[in-house]
Amino acid sequence: QVQLVQSGAEVKKPGASVKVSCKASGYTFTSYGISWVRQAPGQGLEWMGWISAYNGNTNYAQKLQGRVTMTTDTSTSTAYMELRSLRSDDTAVYYCARGSVYGSGSDYMDVWGKGTTVTVSS
Amino acid sequence: DIQMTQSPSTLSASVGDRVTITCRASQSISSWLAWYQQKPGKAPKLLIYKASSLESGVPSRFSGSGSGTEFTLTISSLQPDDFATYYCQQYNSYSSITFGQGTRLEIK
Repeated sequence: QVQLVQSGAEVKKPGASVKVSCKASGYTFTSYGISWVRQAPGQGLEWMGWISAYNGNTNYAQKLQGRVTMTTDTSTSTAYMELRSLRSDDTAVYYCARGSVYGSGSDYMDVWGKGTTVTVSS
Repeated sequence: DIQMTQSPSTLSASVGDRVTITCRASQSISSWLAWYQQKPGKAPKLLIYKASSLESGVPSRFSGSGSGTEFTLTISSLQPDDFATYYCQQYNSYSSITFGQGTRLEIK
């Protein structure tokens, strides 16, 4: 079945970096893109950005430009999201989700990973 | 960025009720709107895309309508499994995706 399996929970100190993985299975990885969405405790959903698994094109949310990098490894059908210079307000559940492969990734998301909890605390 | 505003923020209803959630966009988004259901501790689940297209496997009691700036999600007869939080999401903007703030549907 189509699924996205994310890496495990992380605890990081302020100023550190975190890299979350998202392994796809059950579909042709390069036929879709991957968006990353986060959700702070008790809050709503925030789109972070998108990467095309076909050509590696990216589109990042303006507020995260310069701190986030999204990459893919087509040999393992895995997408990665790295967030740098972590702050306490980056504490959230981070989701990967399948979407469009073309354009800027502006699309609905039909398959979601279960989420990765990232806690930023000194 | 296009702002998405949902109403109400919280909705109390009973099993069997018909309920409607509204989502308004700060500018026209044509029909580029999706609806998601999220239960506590779980990932969001796609219900509706392109404003009114039902995702495969989603019960037919869910329906979506609207275009331009005003959209609705309707559940025709609430079931116990439907008590959750619902989010709308626009994907009209070339540069970014935005979500509504969510509507929590609770048992009356």
